[in-house]
Amino acid sequence: EAGVAQSPRYKIIEKRQSVAFWCNPISGHATLYWYQQILGQGPKLLIQFQNNGVVDDSQLPKDRFSAERLKGVDSTLKIQPAKLEDSAVYLCASSIMGGLAGGYEQYFGPGTRLTVT
Amino acid sequence: LAKTTQPISMDSYEGQEVNITCSHNNIATNDYITWYQQFPSQGPRFIIQGYKTKVTNEVASLFIPADRKSSTLSLPRVSLSDTAVYYCLVGERNAGNMLTFGGGTRLMVKP
Repeated sequence: EAGVAQSPRYKIIEKRQSVAFWCNPISGHATLYWYQQILGQGPKLLIQFQNNGVVDDSQLPKDRFSAERLKGVDSTLKIQPAKLEDSAVYLCASSIMGGLAGGYEQYFGPGTRLTVT
Repeated sequence: LAKTTQPISMDSYEGQEVNITCSHNNIATNDYITWYQQFPSQGPRFIIQGYKTKVTNEVASLFIPADRKSSTLSLPRVSLSDTAVYYCLVGERNAGNMLTFGGGTRLMVKP
């Protein structure tokens, strides 16, 4: 079974530039998550999709971050414009189901390391 | 706002049993407790999940008291390859049941 795929693995941009990350979840997984992990901290959930609908995006900085999952499979996360404090690893995860109460194992991708200079 | 509380770090030696405790005072009635392991430059990996009492798999055991306000991950006979960060994950009623990772516990296993 193929795992969660993410690209690119690394990205360096200057502040105020835009960047996009792509995620392909495990086939058949209805739920997709995007996390931000700042060095030395635990992952912070940014947004959760159930199929192509948003379940929770309360911690997504919507003035600069956007995410979509148009066909209920792949997802993209965009930052526009980037700030220095956006430097982090962006992790994508998927699970078979995944109500807000959890109960379903999340499978994580390798992440995209973003450096904003 | 603290979601879960774990020790920042722990040291152990090969062959010992390691117990990592997580406090989650605001756990919601329907929430599960899940533990993940993370190596450097990798995404977290699921270890174990439970709702109450005790759960055991081939890797670890999870002990949850009746009040469910804490949980303990037990790793039997650790090896050097168990050196990693361990996260406790629960839903939280006060934050609208948002999935939240704790700060994690950095486990260092020494020879």
